[in-house]
Amino acid sequence: DIQMTQSPSSLSASVGDRVTITCRASESISSYLNWYQQKLGKVPKLVIYAASRLQSGVPSRFSGSGFGTDFTLTISSLQSEDFATYYCQQSHSTPWTFGQGTKVEI
Amino acid sequence: QVQLLESGPGLVMPSGTLSLTCAVSGDSTSSDNWWSWVRQTPGKGLEWIGEVNHSGKNRINPSLKSRVSISVDKSKNQVSLTLRSVTAADTAVYYCARDHYISGSYYQFDYWGQGTLVTVSS
Repeated sequence: DIQMTQSPSSLSASVGDRVTITCRASESISSYLNWYQQKLGKVPKLVIYAASRLQSGVPSRFSGSGFGTDFTLTISSLQSEDFATYYCQQSHSTPWTFGQGTKVEI
Repeated sequence: QVQLLESGPGLVMPSGTLSLTCAVSGDSTSSDNWWSWVRQTPGKGLEWIGEVNHSGKNRINPSLKSRVSISVDKSKNQVSLTLRSVTAADTAVYYCARDHYISGSYYQFDYWGQGTLVTVSS
């Protein structure tokens, strides 16, 4: 299985901050990397797919980059509604696997 | 708008069988998408269980393969999950999700059900 490791596990930030979350795959996954946002008690929501493509309806302050084994999710100017846990997920080969999550807190 | 709705017992006895159904609306289970089951626990986070496509072909997580069955009923537009010989470790929120395929062999879970909590306990 491909292991996905996110860092940090949690971070504290303020409204307006630029936030970057990192995801590393245990082997190369090309650009087969998705990012999800999950608010407390809610369903995961797709934010970025194919490493850098913004899902329809997601604000443009979210962006993704990376290729191979190292990927980042960036929120250019954090808004109050962005406080959540973010997960990366590889879709290079089954079993699809997720990172352990990064909690973005105030 | 695609909607997924999971249903099934919220309590299952240890060594018993967990059975869930996902009703799909706004898309057809006959489409090119795959239909997945994902579970979430506080300890293990998000875990992909497996998925099925319109022809009934499965992709199952090897860690669960011996206990899992996933099927599609195109006439009812629904997908089903069966997990056998459950233990307390199978207690989780179970989600149904659409695994959407786009050109270039990209897959992503773009629609999720609301999730259903299944507790394994006597």
